[in-house]
Amino acid sequence: EVQLVESGGGLIQSGGSLRLSCAASGLSISDQYMGWVRLAPGKGPELVSVLYSGGATLSADSVRGRFIISRDISKNTLYLQMNSLRVDDTAMYYCATVESFGWYFEYWGQGTLVTVSS
Amino acid sequence: ETVMTQSPATLSVSPGEGVTLSCRASQSVSRNLAWYQQRPGQAPRLLIYGVSTRVSGIPARFSGSGSGTEFSLTISSLQSEDFATYYCQQYSTWPTFGQGTKVEFK
Repeated sequence: EVQLVESGGGLIQSGGSLRLSCAASGLSISDQYMGWVRLAPGKGPELVSVLYSGGATLSADSVRGRFIISRDISKNTLYLQMNSLRVDDTAMYYCATVESFGWYFEYWGQGTLVTVSS
Repeated sequence: ETVMTQSPATLSVSPGEGVTLSCRASQSVSRNLAWYQQRPGQAPRLLIYGVSTRVSGIPARFSGSGSGTEFSLTISSLQSEDFATYYCQQYSTWPTFGQGTKVEFK
């Protein structure tokens, strides 16, 4: 059974940094495309960043240069380093598996809440 | 960016009724379209991908159709566990989601 467990969210002031973690079990993140999707109040979900199985990364324009997606294969854990946080980054952040042949999201974690205050 | 627009924003229905949710793309996404269900306090759950392919374990009362820019999700007979918010998502280009349709008790 695939399980994704996020942690690291919290309340942070604008301009601050946070690192989110996503511990995976039931799959090997080295073999899988992985991503972070956020859901802000009153909005639809937004794909933030993707990490290819080969190690390349892509990020949305809204976070490029501020957020960095990475992984520790030995720990089977995905990360999202979030810098220069803004109030509009406030959202529930989910890690999810990304289908390699069509970028939809089959397995999701339960999410971790990030609240950025001014 | 491909903008996904869902309608209506809210649907009020009674258990046992059938509903159809709509999703429109700002440009053609071919058949690169998925649907998700999100219940309160839970993560989104993938229901359908490729417009009409149900994920294993999703009941047959959920069906998807469409192509190009117009898509729909039909729930043939609403059960209590189906009251939730539904999102469409295109993956023809950088994935984008609609704003969601909330299906609530009438």
